[in-house]
Amino acid sequence: AQSVTQPDIHITVSEGASLELRCNYSYGATPYLFWYVQSPGQGLQLLLKYFSGDTLVQGIKGFEAEFKRSQSSFNLRKPSVHWSDAAEYFCAVVQGAQKLVFGQGTRLTINP
Amino acid sequence: DAGVIQSPRHEVTEMGQEVTLRCKPISGHDYLFWYRQTMMRGLELLIYFNNNVPIDDSGMPEDRFSAKMPNASFSTLKIQPSEPRDSAVYFCASSHPGQGNEQFFGPGTRLTVL
Repeated sequence: AQSVTQPDIHITVSEGASLELRCNYSYGATPYLFWYVQSPGQGLQLLLKYFSGDTLVQGIKGFEAEFKRSQSSFNLRKPSVHWSDAAEYFCAVVQGAQKLVFGQGTRLTINP
Repeated sequence: DAGVIQSPRHEVTEMGQEVTLRCKPISGHDYLFWYRQTMMRGLELLIYFNNNVPIDDSGMPEDRFSAKMPNASFSTLKIQPSEPRDSAVYFCASSHPGQGNEQFFGPGTRLTVL
């Protein structure tokens, strides 16, 4: 079965610094991959998704992610974080027709 | 569109009581998902429906949990009787294949069982 691992439970970065959140997946074929963000007290919002084609995917709020098949990774990046980026971030992979398998999440804290 | 609507947003109940959570998916979406989120177990898929039919309920923790989708615009998740370990945030999400598997999440219901 497909699975997703987010190795970092909690990351702290300074405002203005660059960010990379790691995601590794387990899937035999080309996966459909997603990054979602959850602000405190809110539901999950889609940041970006990868189905095929260009391995560098642009998303909302200045985020991007790169699909690397050789490393089974789909890491999320942002060149300069803002205090409003503090949230929990989830990587997910499609399993079957519509089911999503989520990672455990990475909580991002921003230092002023 | 108003997005996925869930009610209530917060529910506090006593152990043994019946709890019913409600969800209205986005119009035109034919998949509906129920998730539970806790600190210990993260985000878990409980059950999902396609065209109002339950497809996979393997995530439903036990017989105390049941879910229904009587029509395309309404679903319920019921816990009877409730227990303190059911305290969690319950999310509903909907999707449509034409939108590339993206699931749209509701704001969640925070359930506290005392």
